[in-house]
Amino acid sequence: EDQVTQSPEALRLQEGESSSLNCSYTVSGLRGLFWYRQDPGKGPEFLFTLYSAGEEKEKERLKATLTKKESFLHITAPKPEDSATYLCAVLTGSARQLTFGSGTQLTVLP
Amino acid sequence: GAVVSQHPSWVICKSGTSVKIECRSLDFQATTMFWYRQFPKQSLMLMATSNEGSKATYEQGVEKDKFLINHASLTLSTLTVTSAHPEDSSFYICSARGRLATSYNEQFFGPGTRLTVL
Repeated sequence: EDQVTQSPEALRLQEGESSSLNCSYTVSGLRGLFWYRQDPGKGPEFLFTLYSAGEEKEKERLKATLTKKESFLHITAPKPEDSATYLCAVLTGSARQLTFGSGTQLTVLP
Repeated sequence: GAVVSQHPSWVICKSGTSVKIECRSLDFQATTMFWYRQFPKQSLMLMATSNEGSKATYEQGVEKDKFLINHASLTLSTLTVTSAHPEDSSFYICSARGRLATSYNEQFFGPGTRLTVL
């Protein structure tokens, strides 16, 4: 059974304080790992797709990396507007739908 | 690109009535659409998967007669909550995956519909 675990559950940062969110996975045949951002009362917003170990993608203050067992979402010099829940999900060869982690709720204080 | 819309964004109804939620892919053809339910402070729970022109596949524990899904075209899927009860109150989110130049695997979400059943 595919499993996705995100840590920490919640993270409070001061503005400008860089940090990383973790997504560890146990799956058979990874077809893709996805990061989403979700604001309260909104649907998830697509951020990145990673396909193979060693791959990295960047968007503004966010950088996603992937290894064979986990993915990290690095947030550099975060701003209050980066506050949201960040969701990680995997798509495997045997499944046709995403398996989500429980998310990390990020709060960036001004 | 890759925009998914939902309508309505929120709805309040009386117990026993039916509610229809629409999900549209605005700038791509969605070969597969998904319906999720999300409770406060929890992650997304997949309810069903539908392919255009085919019957939806429901996850275990989801009543297919209560949550009717229709994926009539490559840009539209509907979820009808029949005979709604207060326990059906939740945040319903659709998503779509389809024919995009960037990747077939990427899945894009709508803004969600807040259903409150009185």
